[in-house]
Amino acid sequence: AQSVTQLDSQVPVFEEAPVELRCNYSSSVSVYLFWYVQYPNQGLQLLLKYLSGSTLVKGINGFEAEFNKSQTSFHLRKPSVHISDTAEYFCAVSEVTSGSRLTFGEGTQLTVNP
Amino acid sequence: GAVVSQHPSRVICKSGTSVKIECRSLDFQATTMFWYRQFPKKSLMLMATSNEGSKATYEQGVEKDKFLINHASLTLSTLTVTSAHPEDSSFYICSARDRGGGASTDTQYFGPGTRLTVL
Repeated sequence: AQSVTQLDSQVPVFEEAPVELRCNYSSSVSVYLFWYVQYPNQGLQLLLKYLSGSTLVKGINGFEAEFNKSQTSFHLRKPSVHISDTAEYFCAVSEVTSGSRLTFGEGTQLTVNP
Repeated sequence: GAVVSQHPSRVICKSGTSVKIECRSLDFQATTMFWYRQFPKKSLMLMATSNEGSKATYEQGVEKDKFLINHASLTLSTLTVTSAHPEDSSFYICSARDRGGGASTDTQYFGPGTRLTVL
């Protein structure tokens, strides 16, 4: 069975600063990796995904993530954040053979301050 | 992009009544839909996997007689919370897997969620 650990429950940053949200996973088989964002009282929006190919994945809203198989990590980064990026971010993993069954991390609350 | 809708967005009901939540994929066909429950400031907990034309697969600890799931078509799945109690109050989110071929099938698109409050 797979598991996901988001190392920081809360990340406060100032506007225009860079940010990294950390995610590590555990699985005995090949996986797909995802980052979702959730704004208050809303569902989840897909930011980006890694299925195969290039380990550097670019997503929406200027976010990118890098898959590191040796470190079993999939950290999310943005070079310059905006107030509007304030939200909850979830890292998720699905095993390639699991039929899209997702396991989520506990989430990281990103708060961008002026 | 792929859009998933849920209805209603909010519902308040009395204890003992049943509530039905609909999940629709608007611009793609979904052979598989998923139902999640999210507690305040917590992650999503998978409740069940809904497959079109067959019985849902429930996660351990989820009561199948209490949370009835029907996936009658390629674009609609419903979750019925039967005999609701205050402890069933939660945010329920559905997602749908794109039926199209290729690696994109392994992406779930999420609905906006339904806030259920049981008095």
